[in-house]
Amino acid sequence: AQSVTQLGSHVSVSEGALVLLRCNYSSSVPPYLFWYVQYPNQGLQLLLKYTSAATLVKGINGFEAEFKKSETSFHLTKPSAHMSDAAEYFCAVSVNSGGSNYKLTFGKGTLLTVNP
Amino acid sequence: DAGVTQSPTHLIKTRGQQVTLRCSPKSGHDTVSWYQQALGQGPQFIFQYYEEEERQRGNFPDRFSGHQFPNYSSELNVNALLLGDSALYLCASSLIQAGNTEAFFGQGTRLTVV
Repeated sequence: AQSVTQLGSHVSVSEGALVLLRCNYSSSVPPYLFWYVQYPNQGLQLLLKYTSAATLVKGINGFEAEFKKSETSFHLTKPSAHMSDAAEYFCAVSVNSGGSNYKLTFGKGTLLTVNP
Repeated sequence: DAGVTQSPTHLIKTRGQQVTLRCSPKSGHDTVSWYQQALGQGPQFIFQYYEEEERQRGNFPDRFSGHQFPNYSSELNVNALLLGDSALYLCASSLIQAGNTEAFFGQGTRLTVV
């Protein structure tokens, strides 16, 4: 079974500073990896995904993540934080076991606050 | 494209009652998955429907059931509600031909059980 661990339930940065949200995964087969963002009282919006192509994945709003198999990590970064980045971020893993047997397994989330 | 739509947005029910939540998938999508997100937690997979059949199920009791209609829309039913069922219920749609590699989420239904 696959699992996700997000290190740090709360990360606080200053506006303009680097954002680094950590995600480690466990999977017995090559995984698909995702980062989602959730604003208060909203659903989940896909930021980016890794599906076994390029290991450095660029997403929306200036975010990117790098798949590192040796470290089983998929950390999310953004060079310069903006106030609008304040939200909850979820890392998720999925394995394609054939057919429609696909589901997302989420981490517990990291709340990002951005200070002016 | 309206994306994934869920109804209602909020719901208050009493313990022991039954509830039905509804989801319309993104246009062109054929697979619907349901997730439960308790306060302060990540979403947890309930089940997935494709071709009107439940294809995969998470660790949820039989009180949770679902249905998919020919137009791909879906319902989630919860019987004998418990206080612990209070959560945000998220519907996600995807396309099996694309390997279900990208799920689009609705805004969710906030269920409060009192």
